[in-house]
Amino acid sequence: IAGITQAPTSQILAAGRRMTLRCTQDMRHNAMYWYRQDLGLGLRLIHYSNTAGTTGKGEVPDGYSVSRANTDDFPLTLASAVPSQTSVYFCASSRGEDTGELFFGEGSRLTVL
Amino acid sequence: GQNIDQPTEMTATEGAIVQINCTYQTSGFNGLFWYQQHAGEAPTFLSYNVLDGLEEKGRFSSFLSRSKGYSYLLLKELQMKDSASYLCAVRNSNYQLIWGAGTKLIIKP
Repeated sequence: IAGITQAPTSQILAAGRRMTLRCTQDMRHNAMYWYRQDLGLGLRLIHYSNTAGTTGKGEVPDGYSVSRANTDDFPLTLASAVPSQTSVYFCASSRGEDTGELFFGEGSRLTVL
Repeated sequence: GQNIDQPTEMTATEGAIVQINCTYQTSGFNGLFWYQQHAGEAPTFLSYNVLDGLEEKGRFSSFLSRSKGYSYLLLKELQMKDSASYLCAVRNSNYQLIWGAGTKLIIKP
C-alpha cells in the first residue's frame, strides 16, 4: 500500500539520550517534512527537504537534525533529548514544495522523561 | 507575524450543517488547505482553494475570499464520524505552510 511509514509509533526516552525517528515514503514525492504537534498549537515545521540531497530548517529546528540521502527516506534525529521535545511527530510528503497536498504518516508519539 | 485563526471548539447536531471559519494573515498567498484529523490519527486532506469562491466535494464545501483573508469549511448532513479536528493551513509566498491550531468539532446525536 502506497504511503508514508513512520517508526516507532511510540517511544519513551530518558533525557539526554539520542533518538532517531524513521520515515519512509513510496510515492516518489520530492518534498518531505517533519512536523511536531502539541496541544493547542498548530503543526510546527521542524525541518524539510525539497528534494533528495537538500534539507532546510523550519520554524522550530533547534535540537533536531535531518538527512535526505535518497528520495524515500527522511529520518529525524534528536541528538540529546530534552523534556520539551515530548510531542507527537508527523512526517509528511508532497509531490513538490509548491504543488499538491501533503500526505502524512501515522505519527510517532515521543515522551522524554 | 503570520497567523491563522480558527475557533478552538464547536458543537453541532447529527444531520445538521456546520460552518468552520478560518482567518489568516500571511506573507503572500499560494493556496489554502483544509485537513481533517481524528483523535490519535494523522491529518488527511479535505480541500484546496487558490481562487476566490466555493469548492464543493460531496458533503464538504470550502470557500475562500483572498481580499478578506477568510475561508470557511461547510459540512452538511453531519454524521457522528465527522467528529474530529479540522485544520486550516495557508501556503505563503515562500511556499511554506502556516497551520492553524485546529477546530475540534463535536457531533451530538
